Parts: sequence; C-alpha cells; structure tokens
Amino acid sequence: DTAVSQTPKYLVTQMGNDKSIKCEQNLGHDTMYWYKQDSKKFLKIMFSYNNKELIINETVPNRFSPKSPDKAHLNLHINSLELGDSAVYFCASSQDHGRPNQPQHFGDGTRLSIL
Amino acid sequence: EDKVVQSPLSLVVHEGDTVTLNCSYEVTNFRSLLWYKQEKKAPTFLFMLTSSGIEKKSGRLSSILDKKELSSILNITATQTGDSAIYLCAGNSGANSKLTFGKGITLSVRP
Repeated sequence: DTAVSQTPKYLVTQMGNDKSIKCEQNLGHDTMYWYKQDSKKFLKIMFSYNNKELIINETVPNRFSPKSPDKAHLNLHINSLELGDSAVYFCASSQDHGRPNQPQHFGDGTRLSIL
Repeated sequence: EDKVVQSPLSLVVHEGDTVTLNCSYEVTNFRSLLWYKQEKKAPTFLFMLTSSGIEKKSGRLSSILDKKELSSILNITATQTGDSAIYLCAGNSGANSKLTFGKGITLSVRP
C-alpha cells in the first residue's frame, strides 16, 4: 500500500484553466504538506496543515488554495493556471509538526505542464 | 530567511569510489538536519541528525552533523550505479517543522 498517494500523476492543461491535485496518506499522520519542485529540482514548501488547520503558508500566489477535509487528505486547487506553474508538486506527511524530529514522507509527485 | 547550501552541485564517479556530499545551513530555531535521496519520483528519507558528532549509518551510507560549523556531510562508500540520484539536504526549523531544502547534489555513478 502506498503511504502517501497523489492523483493525478501527470496533468497537462492550458493557461487560464483551474485544476486540482489530490493527496491522501494512510500513515495516521497529523500533518501534511505541499511542496513545489521547479525545473532545477529545487524543492520549496508551499503549505502545511495539521489536523485540518493551516500551519505554514509561504509566499504563494492566492491562486493556490489548499483544502484539508480531514487529516488524511490535503488537496491543492490552482486557479487561472500560468506558464510558471509548470513544476512537479509533491505532497508529504509527518507524524505531528509539533513533535520534535519526525521525518516527512513524500508522495511520488504530480507533474503539471501548462501549455 | 532560512538557507541551505549543498556542494558540489553535481558529481560523477566510478563504481567503487567513495564520495562525500556537503551541506551547510542557516536555519532559525534549528531542530534537525535531514538527508533524502531522490531518484525518479519521491524523495526517500535517509537520515535525520539532531546531535553534533554522532554518526548515523545505514549500510554504505553514513552521515554526521557539526552544529558548531552548521554543516553536515553524507558519505557513500563503495558506490554502485544504483546510488545515482539527487541527494537533498534539508534543515528543520521552528515549531512548525518547516523544511528548507538545498538545491540538491546530482550524483552519477558510472560502471
């Protein structure tokens, strides 16, 4: 069973469209994260949620809106997609952001390509 | 702003060589330093280091943290082609366990 799973794996769409990426973890973790990895492989935090509560909100355009219906799911909705949004988006989870020293476990990523 | 710098950015070695990958960090409220290996998909967790001078080991891989120098190294001995990957270092900061990643080191191991 995949611990952190994301869908879809690939997403090709046109500029201006709205799209969503879903993430689910079956590890029983309380905290989930979204990262963006650009073409140079630089991985940068976007958001984190702990038990459905927003914890980290980095400087991300407000076209990006995370939603956590429960602690096992964290979805990412992107409005009015732009060329610069092309990247691989990774979801991750950890046991509890407040507990010291818990590693984050990553999903396989969603490769988003904007035409 | 938190910063993690890795060096070298890329490395090509032959099977059997030993490599040392470097990571330096400037992270507020530092909690730990993590190493990940990324092949084609998800970064996979290798080590978490919290205490200075204590080596963590897993097979041919080992890592150590130097809190005085704000740095860490990842050593791989007797490299194999399967070690070819991007190695990511990340600093864990503050109460929210925010990870700041370096740009990664691309390691290529030639047969």
